[in-house]
Amino acid sequence: QQQVKQSPQSLIVQKGGISIINCAYENTAFDYFPWYQQFPGKGPALLIAIRPDVSEKKEGRFTISFNKSAKQFSLHIMDSQPGDSATYFCAASISGGYQKVTFGTGTKLQVIP
Amino acid sequence: DTAVSQTPKYLVTQMGNDKSIKCEQNLGHDTMYWYKQDSKKFLKIMFSYNNKELIINETVPNRFSPKSPDKAHLNLHINSLELGDSAVYFCASSLPGATEAFFGQGTRLTVV
Repeated sequence: QQQVKQSPQSLIVQKGGISIINCAYENTAFDYFPWYQQFPGKGPALLIAIRPDVSEKKEGRFTISFNKSAKQFSLHIMDSQPGDSATYFCAASISGGYQKVTFGTGTKLQVIP
Repeated sequence: DTAVSQTPKYLVTQMGNDKSIKCEQNLGHDTMYWYKQDSKKFLKIMFSYNNKELIINETVPNRFSPKSPDKAHLNLHINSLELGDSAVYFCASSLPGATEAFFGQGTRLTVV
């Protein structure tokens, strides 16, 4: 059962544009929603994360928007750069204890000059 | 001073062989994981250990056997390798109950 659905599967954006990746979850017990960035040949690395008590979190050019009632969250990359080209994974988990992280299916982002 | 290191980075082997992947973390974390990433980039947890104790075992064939000699190491042994085992295997670690996982660089396993 896929508990975190992610779209689109791939995304091509021009340099300077806005990249938007969307995720939806089913389990209302999830209380931590990270985004991971993965470059080819590397492991995923935490990019930014949000908890459901806030609707938005911004770190530099990266913003997470969170809609608790709709059980959706999204990553916005402003002023996208070629160096942002990577695969992005949304994820969800229940903090505390030893809960596993459930990952979305990934979005391959290509930023073209 | 790599935080989570895996060896080998690449592994090519024939069907039916037995192989191991080693993982070490120097972050002082108590919790370690093995994830499998398939050809479509889908990441799925296989195992989780906390302080050498198995916490999560996600319906993985029993040909896969994790071993944690101490809390800084989590190795993965695979018996009787099959073509479908070809994937990238990632080791990761975190603090117990914490939310950020630190991943190794991955081991690309190819079974021929």
